[in-house]
Parts: sequence; structure tokens; C-alpha cells
Amino acid sequence: AQSVTQLDSQVPVFEEAPVELRCNYSSSVSVYLFWYVQYPNQGLQLLLKYLSGSTLVESINGFEAEFNKSQTSFHLRKPSVHISDTAEYFCAVSDHSAGGTSYGKLTFGQGTILTVHP
Amino acid sequence: NAGVTQTPKFRILKIGQSMTLQCTQDMNHNYMYWYRQDPGMGLKLIYYSVGAGITDKGEVPNGYNVSRSTTEDFPLRLELAAPSQTSVYFCASRRQQGNYGGELFFGEGSRLTVL
Repeated sequence: AQSVTQLDSQVPVFEEAPVELRCNYSSSVSVYLFWYVQYPNQGLQLLLKYLSGSTLVESINGFEAEFNKSQTSFHLRKPSVHISDTAEYFCAVSDHSAGGTSYGKLTFGQGTILTVHP
Repeated sequence: NAGVTQTPKFRILKIGQSMTLQCTQDMNHNYMYWYRQDPGMGLKLIYYSVGAGITDKGEVPNGYNVSRSTTEDFPLRLELAAPSQTSVYFCASRRQQGNYGGELFFGEGSRLTVL
């Protein structure tokens, strides 16, 4: 079984400030890691993902996340946030074990509401 | 591009009523999922399907049923609605990939209130 813990339920920041949204996971097998973003009254959209290779992954809008296997973390960062980044962010994992039967099912964290103030 | 379409967007039910949430995708994805989202709880998987005629339970299936007669459609049935089923429901789909690392595409959600 897997679990995901997002350590902050709400993160308020001022525009152009840096931000880090923390995510820790627990799993007995290898995992894929994802960050999804949900803007108000919309469905979730993929922000970035780690499957293999470089442990640092980036999105097209300036977010990045680093997979740290020893600390079982996948924190999301942005050096300078914009008002339009206000949204709820979800960390998620899926089973990556060889021969696994997870069928791409995602286990989500509780979500972190990022509010960017002018 | 329609993507994943859910109907209705909003619905109020009385306790004991039944209803079906509709989900259709036009991307020819084999895998489809139903999640519910409750404040501060993230998303919980209700049911999923890996192809037409194949469905299985997720983490919180009690009180729900699904069917998958076509690749495109994956309706979620609520029988005997209860206040605990007040939630926002999301349907999602993804194409089949050997490494299961593919992106999930979500609908815009169906907000259900049971009174």
C-alpha cells in the first residue's frame, strides 16, 4: 500500500516570492511521482511527473520538483510565484513494480492550497 | 477537443434517491477512473476500469456501482443516496501504457449534495 502526505494544507505567499510545497510518500515498491494542479472550479491538470532518470523535473510554467529517494520526498518549488499560480496542488504516486497490477491508479495527498497575494 | 466530459455539473439529491453520473471520453483511452474529492482529504478512488467490460473496486466503493459497456463511457451509479456521498466527483482517463506513467486527464467534476 502507498500513502502520500502533503505537509502543509495552506501556503500563503506574496507575488514574486519563492515557494515550496512539501510532499512525502510511503511505499514498499518503486513509484512514479506526480504533481497535479487544480484551478478553482476545474478538474485536475498534470503539472509535472517523475518516472525515471534525472531526479529534477520541471514544468513549462517554472515549477520544479526533486525526487529524493532517501527521504522519500518530492517537494515542489518555484523561485518566483505569480498571482495566476493561486490554486490547489496535489502530490500523487502510482505503483511502478514490475508485474504490478496498479493499472495506473493514483494515490493522492490531501492537497495544498497555494494563495498568492499581490 | 472535448476530452473527458461529465454530466451533470451540479445535482441535489434527497436521501434515498438514486442517480447516475455520466462520464464520456473521446480520446480512445482504455483506462478510466472515478474519484471523489472531499475538502482536506484529497481524492479517493471509487472504481476503475481497464477496458470495456472490465471494472474493479477502488478504495471507497461502498454505495456506488459502475459499468463499462463501451470504451467511451464509464457511468457511476449512486444507489440510495446518503449525506456521506455529498462530494465532488471526478472522472479521469488515460491511455494504456506499459509503464503506467501516463498522464490522467480529468473532467471538470460533478458536485453532488445529498440532503
